[in-house]
Amino acid sequence: DGGITQSPKYLFRKEGQNVTLSCEQNLNHDAMYWYRQDPGQGLRLIYYSQIVNDFQKGDIAEGYSVSREKKESFPLTVTSAQKNPTAFYLCASSISRTGNQPQHFGDGTRLSIL
Amino acid sequence: GNSVTQMEGPVTLSEEAFLTINCTYTATGYPSLFWYVQYPGEGLQLLLKATKADDKGSNKGFEATYRKETTSFHLEKGSVQVSDSAVYFCALRGDSNYQLIWGAGTKLIIKP
Repeated sequence: DGGITQSPKYLFRKEGQNVTLSCEQNLNHDAMYWYRQDPGQGLRLIYYSQIVNDFQKGDIAEGYSVSREKKESFPLTVTSAQKNPTAFYLCASSISRTGNQPQHFGDGTRLSIL
Repeated sequence: GNSVTQMEGPVTLSEEAFLTINCTYTATGYPSLFWYVQYPGEGLQLLLKATKADDKGSNKGFEATYRKETTSFHLEKGSVQVSDSAVYFCALRGDSNYQLIWGAGTKLIIKP
């Protein structure tokens, strides 16, 4: 079955540590996105990528970094510069950046601070 | 800029009750509108969508009509079930921008 796989499901970060969240899709989608979800709030866009080797900052990119070396993969690194990283992180993809195609989501990674 | 406003939750109903979750938007041009559902501990799933005025999206007994005159896209279901308990998100995609604009989500609790 086609879909988006996020791993791990739960992740713990120590002070001063960088951690990387994995996102893989086999939908052959060009566009991929990372969102942060905090309790009782909507989704906020961290980074997005429209094509391999290209990505753009979203609304809350500070303290995060991404890469897009392969079409199917879009890992997110939460750096030590992100002072409040505890949240639910969602990866999504869509066929392209334009038009009315919906975004498809993974099951998320919950990041907590040790 | 574009924005989406949803009614605050939680919304608590008894099984078989009628459901309405309000969603209004602000946007220029002709946006596409979406409802997503998030079950506990999971990612979001597309529930339904509408891409132009007066379109009605429907899925799993849920419906929403794109009303340009009232800038609304309210979600309705005639008879809810316990399994409908989830968080529902209204979202908008502008006609000149890739980005989805999200409402804050409405938690729905259905009691047997």
